[in-house]
Amino acid sequence: EDKVVQSPLSLVVHEGDTVTLNCSYEVTNFRSLLWYKQEKKAPTFLFMLTSSGIEKKSGRLSSILDKKELFSILNITATQTGDSAIYLCASPGAGSYQLTFGKGTKLSVIP
Amino acid sequence: DVKVTQSSRYLVKRTGEKVFLECVQDMDHENMFWYRQDPGLGLRLIYFSYDVKMKEKGDIPEGYSVSREKKERFSLILESASTNQTSMYLCASSLWSGTNEKLFFGSGTQLSVL
Repeated sequence: EDKVVQSPLSLVVHEGDTVTLNCSYEVTNFRSLLWYKQEKKAPTFLFMLTSSGIEKKSGRLSSILDKKELFSILNITATQTGDSAIYLCASPGAGSYQLTFGKGTKLSVIP
Repeated sequence: DVKVTQSSRYLVKRTGEKVFLECVQDMDHENMFWYRQDPGLGLRLIYFSYDVKMKEKGDIPEGYSVSREKKERFSLILESASTNQTSMYLCASSLWSGTNEKLFFGSGTQLSVL
């Protein structure tokens, strides 16, 4: 059974802090790992990672994949209150169509 | 931008009622999905469809059915709603591709069954 595990499940930081969110996976025929941000209702896409060691970056957010150790991290530098959200990690499993999601990390950034 | 629209943001229904949740996407995507999201459990796949009139069970299909009569529309049906189906329901769509699994989500429907 495919498995995606995120840690921590929740995190409270102060504005300006740097945070690292973790995602480990056990997925048959691994192809990619995706990160989403869910602020209110709809998760929005952040990154898709397919190659080990190549960092994807968007502003203060960055992510990297380690295919040998089967994990990915999402870094957020200089956090802002607008970064408060649930961050979801997911990977397609043996089937072509569906994503297996982790339970998410709830990040709260306080002023 | 891809738009996935769910017909209701909030719904309150009574136990035993038949409930329809509607989802429409405007980007001609082949794949459509229904997830439910519960605190501590994350997103769990209920059903998905990879073509018109085609459907596949996800991880938790019990108590649900789906309908896909047109490519852009995917409906989730609760034949007889129960209190344990109180949840956030998220619809999503994606292109058919073995190399592109990016999902686009709707804004969700918070369903309360009393």
